[in-house]
Amino acid sequence: EAGVAQSPRYKIIEKRQSVAFWCNPISGHATLYWYQQILGQGPKLLIQFQNNGVVDDSQLPKDRFSAERLKGVDSTLKIQPAKLEDSAVYLCASSLDLRTGELFFGEGSRLTVL
Amino acid sequence: AQTVTQSQPEMSVQEAETVTLSCTYDTSESDYYLFWYKQPPSRQMILVIRQEAYKQQNATENRFSVNFQKAAKSFSLKISDSQLGDAAMYFCAYATRWYNDMRFGAGTRLTVKP
Repeated sequence: EAGVAQSPRYKIIEKRQSVAFWCNPISGHATLYWYQQILGQGPKLLIQFQNNGVVDDSQLPKDRFSAERLKGVDSTLKIQPAKLEDSAVYLCASSLDLRTGELFFGEGSRLTVL
Repeated sequence: AQTVTQSQPEMSVQEAETVTLSCTYDTSESDYYLFWYKQPPSRQMILVIRQEAYKQQNATENRFSVNFQKAAKSFSLKISDSQLGDAAMYFCAYATRWYNDMRFGAGTRLTVKP
């Protein structure tokens, strides 16, 4: 079974530029999550989708971050404009549905903002 | 809001010995999940063990076991017969049963000495 795919693995940009990360969850998984993991910290939930609807985006900085999950499969997380403090690993995870309690993570996309 | 606290930023253990990682959490819910995730260096996060709050019996997965104290809101991970491959960051996590809003602690870096 293929795992959660993310790209790009690494991205370096200058502040005020934009960046987009892509995630393809495990086939059949209805729930998709984006987490931000700053170096030395635990992952912080940014947004959670159930199919193509948003379940929770309370911690998403909506002035600069946006995410979508068209057709309830792949998802894209965008940052525009980027700030220095956005340097982090962006983790995508999926689960079968809201109630299974087990997340499967991708390898993450490491963003460096200079 | 649910919070997860890991008070040990770093731990070390001698190969073949036993180590216990601590975690406390705060919630007003009565039904929820608790997890330990392992994140090896530059690799994806994987689930080590899961505990459902309504189950009194402590979960066990081979060399990994938990001590779940619901009243004290404590959830520690015991690793027996430690192996070099156990070296990683370990994250304690909490999720509500119905919304799967997973919250992570800051992590404990485990070093295994040969």
